[in-house]
This record gives sequence, structure tokens and C-alpha cells, in this order.
Amino acid sequence: QVTLRESGPALVKPTQTLTLTCTFSGFSLSTSGMCVSWIRQPPGKALEWLALIDWDDDKYYSTSLKTRLTISKDTSKNQVVLTMTNMDPVDTATYYCARINKMAVAAIDYWGQGTLVTVSS
Amino acid sequence: EIVLTQSPGTLSLSPGERATLSCRASQSVSSSYLAWYQQKPGQAPRLLIYGASSRATGIPDRFSGSGSGTDFTLTISRLEPEDFAVYYCQQYGSSPSFTFGPGTKVDIK
Repeated sequence: QVTLRESGPALVKPTQTLTLTCTFSGFSLSTSGMCVSWIRQPPGKALEWLALIDWDDDKYYSTSLKTRLTISKDTSKNQVVLTMTNMDPVDTATYYCARINKMAVAAIDYWGQGTLVTVSS
Repeated sequence: EIVLTQSPGTLSLSPGERATLSCRASQSVSSSYLAWYQQKPGQAPRLLIYGASSRATGIPDRFSGSGSGTDFTLTISRLEPEDFAVYYCQQYGSSPSFTFGPGTKVDIK
């Protein structure tokens, strides 16, 4: 059974750095084809892809946000960490981590429940 | 960067009716990498269709996907009460990168 769970602060101040952790089970990020991605969704708005890390430790970022994002993995802990610098109120959103199995569906087949992050002073 | 446009923005239909949702890409998308998701309020999205036309595990056969190139369609043959939700298309491009469409809300007429 594949599960993903996001954790991190619910509230951050403007200019601070956000660190989110995705803890997953039911698959290994060292298995060929496995990837974990971060996606966010501002309240009432559409989904926005942020970053992806794959089984080979290759990392990919949204063009518009890549200067602010860093994604990393700890395979032994089954965790993926996303950091986003210089947070702004427009970054208020629900942040999701999710799995992509490139060898199977090449789409996001499992999602975490999401964590709401509010940026406010 | 590929931009996805979805239409209509809102679709008002009654249970039992057919829903046809459109997703148009700004440039050609590989059919292998076009997916559709359903999202209900307060929930994470759920994968419905991948590879433009393959249903994900557990998805009822009233959901179908079609299309190629720049034009893709999600069809719900007969709307059930639980199908009223927001639907997003998504492409998985080279680099790799993901792009989501702005969504189509299917609400009860």
C-alpha cells in the first residue's frame, strides 16, 4: 500500500525559508522509474507543479520557481525534502507530495493529503 | 513551455447526463504523457486517466479519455452524484516538467 504524508510548519513569515518533508511508504525511491514530486495549490486556485526528484537523484524544477527551490531525498528514511526560500504571502497554498511511476503510468498515481502553509507576518 | 487550456471553465449538468471536457495544449503533447485528475473539495486530486486514454486502477468505465497532438477530451458518459468535482488535465513533458490545466468544474444544474 503506497502512502505519502507531508509535514512542516503551518505558518511561516515573509522572507523565511519553508522546509517540507514528505514521508512515504509502499515503494522505494531507489527503484528504477520511481519519482517523488511536489505540487501546490493556492486556496481556490489550480494545481502548480514545483519540483521532482527521481530514483537516480536527478532533480527538476519549475522554471518560474527554480531559483527558490531545492529538492532532496533520503532513501534510507523514505523521505523527500523540499525547501523554498524567501516565502511571500502569494506562496500560501496547500502543498502536496506525490509519486510518479515512470515505468508504469508516467503520471501522478498517488498523492499525499496535503499540508496547508500560510505565509503571514 | 507547454500551456494547457481547459474548456469550459464550468459545466453545469444534471445526474445521468454526458459530460465532455476539453484540454488543449499550446504545442503537441505525447499521448503517453497526458493525464486527467479529479479533485473534490478538501481532497487531494485522484488520477483518472493516463496515457490520454487508459483508465487508472479502480476508475469506473463511465470515464474515458481520447485525443492526440494538441486536443484531448475527457468524457463522463453518465454523471453520477459523486462525479461533481473539478477536473484537471496535466502533461508530463521533456526535462521533465509537469503542466496542469486551469481545471473544469462540473457542477449540478
